[in-house]
Amino acid sequence: EAGVAQSPRYKIIEKRQSVAFWCNPISGHATLYWYQQILGQGPKLLIQFQNNGVVDDSQLPKDRFSAERLKGVDSTLKIQPAKLEDSAVYLCASSIPTGNTEAFFGQGTRLTVV
Amino acid sequence: GQNIDQPTEMTATEGAIVQINCTYQTSGFNGLFWYQQHAGEAPTFLSYNVLDGLEEKGRFSSFLSRSKGYSYLLLKELQMKDSASYLCACRSNDYKLSFGAGTTVTVRA
Repeated sequence: EAGVAQSPRYKIIEKRQSVAFWCNPISGHATLYWYQQILGQGPKLLIQFQNNGVVDDSQLPKDRFSAERLKGVDSTLKIQPAKLEDSAVYLCASSIPTGNTEAFFGQGTRLTVV
Repeated sequence: GQNIDQPTEMTATEGAIVQINCTYQTSGFNGLFWYQQHAGEAPTFLSYNVLDGLEEKGRFSSFLSRSKGYSYLLLKELQMKDSASYLCACRSNDYKLSFGAGTTVTVRA
């Protein structure tokens, strides 16, 4: 089966610009996660969707970050305006919310803010 | 909330055994995962524990004690390709999946 698809793979922007990332989860996976991973750290959960509803966004900096999952499939994460400290890899993951099923990760988008 | 602690770095020799410990505090525990992440790549699933005890999968084993909020990942017969970051992750009842900071394992010849 196809994996989690993310685009773009790399993005370089200047501070105060805006950027958007796209994620297409594995077909049938109701749960979708966006993580921020700063170099040398573990993934930090930004937002979790169940279908098109938000389950948790407690660590999402809502003054500049937004995310949506229209129709409960694809998702976009936006940063506006970007800051230098937003430089990180943004990982999307999806899972079936039952039992012992693991979350599968996409390749991520590496964002550099200059 | 969830608090997950694991050592920052470990070094071991090729062919040896390494044990990576993870302690966690969470409300509504619903499973403990271990992921492997090579530099520049996405995390990949290694193991899952939801009941107490040892789960063995080839050279990798994972242990869970829910009463102690403790898990470990055991890597046996270490190979150079096992050099990577190992992430402990806790899932709660609402399927929120939170990660520790990761343990960087370096395997030396």
